[in-house]
Amino acid sequence: SYELTQPLSVSVALGQTARITCGGNNIGSKNVHWYQQKPGQAPVLVIYRDSNRPSGIPERFSGSNSGNTATLTISRAQAGDEADYYCQVWDSSTFYVFGTGTKVTVL
Amino acid sequence: QVQLQESGPGLVKPSETLSLTCTVSGGSVSSGSYYWSWIRQPPGKGLEWIGYIYYSGSTNYNPSLKSRVTISVDTSKNQFSLKLSSVTAADTAVYYCAGDPPNGGMDVWGQGTSVTVSS
Repeated sequence: SYELTQPLSVSVALGQTARITCGGNNIGSKNVHWYQQKPGQAPVLVIYRDSNRPSGIPERFSGSNSGNTATLTISRAQAGDEADYYCQVWDSSTFYVFGTGTKVTVL
Repeated sequence: QVQLQESGPGLVKPSETLSLTCTVSGGSVSSGSYYWSWIRQPPGKGLEWIGYIYYSGSTNYNPSLKSRVTISVDTSKNQFSLKLSSVTAADTAVYYCAGDPPNGGMDVWGQGTSVTVSS
């Protein structure tokens, strides 16, 4: 089965840049989507197909994907960016797969 | 704008079948614009995809749950539903319904409904 691995936690200073990785075998050949989930709320799509932002998502959120790692980058981090972040792909054997999730803390 | 709302019992007994419904508003469940999924999240844990149904009726399920899961669609009520059989305490979770366009991410989610498996 296909697995996606994320760091358990990432800390970032207010106004600085946070990078959240998502590792998977040859993930660069797949479309990666990213979700933000705040406590008690449903997830929100922040990046789709590697690097595209849905309407309403700030330009501070960007994504890239190559080789065995996809990355979500949050620039000029704000307190409101504190949340759990999940990557997700489609795989032919396991269909939809979510990453293990990363808790982002803004210091 | 498409909106989703989950409904169903908040408490299910062990060995019984969990049944949830997702009502679609602002769009049609049979439009072909979305794959309709169920996702769950146990307390304090990550997201787990359960399965999806397309307007044509085709389904795909998480291999780890496939033997216990059925997802169906009711076009007359603009709803899709989840049945999970033989539940145990490990099935206690917040259950979400969501929709994603082909080759897109899940851009519409319900608010989630909490289900506890306990006698």
